[in-house]
Amino acid sequence: QKEVEQNSGPLSVPEGAIASLNCTYSDRGSQSFFWYRQYSGKSPELIMSIYSNGDKEDGRFTAQLNKASQYVSLLIRDSQPSDSATYLCAVNRDFGNEKLTFGTGTRLTIIP
Amino acid sequence: NAGVTQTPKFRILKIGQSMTLQCAQDMNHNYMYWYRQDPGMGLKLIYYSVGAGITDKGEVPNGYNVSRSTTEDFPLRLELAAPSQTSVYFCASSSPDGYNEQFFGPGTRLTVL
Repeated sequence: QKEVEQNSGPLSVPEGAIASLNCTYSDRGSQSFFWYRQYSGKSPELIMSIYSNGDKEDGRFTAQLNKASQYVSLLIRDSQPSDSATYLCAVNRDFGNEKLTFGTGTRLTIIP
Repeated sequence: NAGVTQTPKFRILKIGQSMTLQCAQDMNHNYMYWYRQDPGMGLKLIYYSVGAGITDKGEVPNGYNVSRSTTEDFPLRLELAAPSQTSVYFCASSSPDGYNEQFFGPGTRLTVL
């Protein structure tokens, strides 16, 4: 089992709809969770961080964390063509651990 | 703040040549990282450093070397370049606050022919 798993996609979502991206992790003690957006040919950009169970909202983005079920998700409301990118999930296994474990990413395409 | 900067943006090397990829950050972050990303693939950690004078191997260190003489700079050295090192290289940094939010530089696209 991979430490951090994501569906590679591609995930196609109509413009204006909600895009839902999921990530599961294997280490039950993981503490910090991140979503990065990576446009083609560009570097990963941190868009959301979440540390506690529940939802965290930032503009059109909502991160959801469920430590009991070991998954973290990212919802993008009112999807725009500019949201088309690969989304990477990253997990910090222990508080103070200097390394992140990255998933391989989900490619999202927003269809106008 | 410029954040994390990397030079060069692009480079073509011949097999057997050497080069140094430069990385600098101005956020006073202790932790710095080098990743490589092959086309369509995820990020693989090459080396990382938790402070000046301290470096450690990641999952794919063979063929690379690093040094960390200052907090700001973390160069990656490729010795005897091979076609397998054709990749995009990203440098990242984070503060030692425990959460490890990493911020990435723009990357260096390297081709070895």
